[in-house]
Amino acid sequence: DAGVTQSPTHLIKTRGQQVTLRCSPKSGHDTVSWYQQALGQGPQFIFQYYEEEERQRGNFPDRFSGHQFPNYSSELNVNALLLGDSALYLCASSPVGGNTEAFFGQGTRLTVV
Amino acid sequence: AQSVTQLGSHVSVSEGALVLLRCNYSSSVPPYLFWYVQYPNQGLQLLLKYTSAATLVKGINGFEAEFKKSETSFHLTKPSAHMSDAAEYFCAVSAASGNTPLVFGKGTRLSVIA
Repeated sequence: DAGVTQSPTHLIKTRGQQVTLRCSPKSGHDTVSWYQQALGQGPQFIFQYYEEEERQRGNFPDRFSGHQFPNYSSELNVNALLLGDSALYLCASSPVGGNTEAFFGQGTRLTVV
Repeated sequence: AQSVTQLGSHVSVSEGALVLLRCNYSSSVPPYLFWYVQYPNQGLQLLLKYTSAATLVKGINGFEAEFKKSETSFHLTKPSAHMSDAAEYFCAVSAASGNTPLVFGKGTRLSVIA
């Protein structure tokens, strides 16, 4: 079992650009959540996808959007990048129904310059 | 609304000493509670979780935590620290229903001194 895989591991973007991050969930999981972890902080919930729809959303602007594909993989898109978007972006997957822990990927380190 | 407070952003212990990392939570609904560990440049790994069964929860790598409702606490302990325990530790809470998002504390960095 490959667990949760994220790509790329690192990337550098310029302010104002757009970025897409990708996540493949753990085998058997159909729910994907995205978190942003700023330096020295705990992860903050961005949004969650299930059945290809955004089910829950945290306190993030519309510049942050996502998508889930039929194979349960997911993308996180950020438009009009700001310096403050520099962070580790973590993807977590879990099976539907809850009552179980989320499994996290290694994260994508985004640096905005 | 839910929140987590981790007391102490940095804890330093000697190898072989007791590890105690503090976590207090606030939740308007019955909570699920978690401890995650993060090694440098890595994602989060689950250490243990409380899901309304036994209040004393045993996890991986010798860690355990006790849920105390009256104190709204879920402190993490390990009897004897090992050098490999040096990492960042996060306490998290979620509502005990469905796939609700995790709310994390700011983390506690554990250093282990030889």
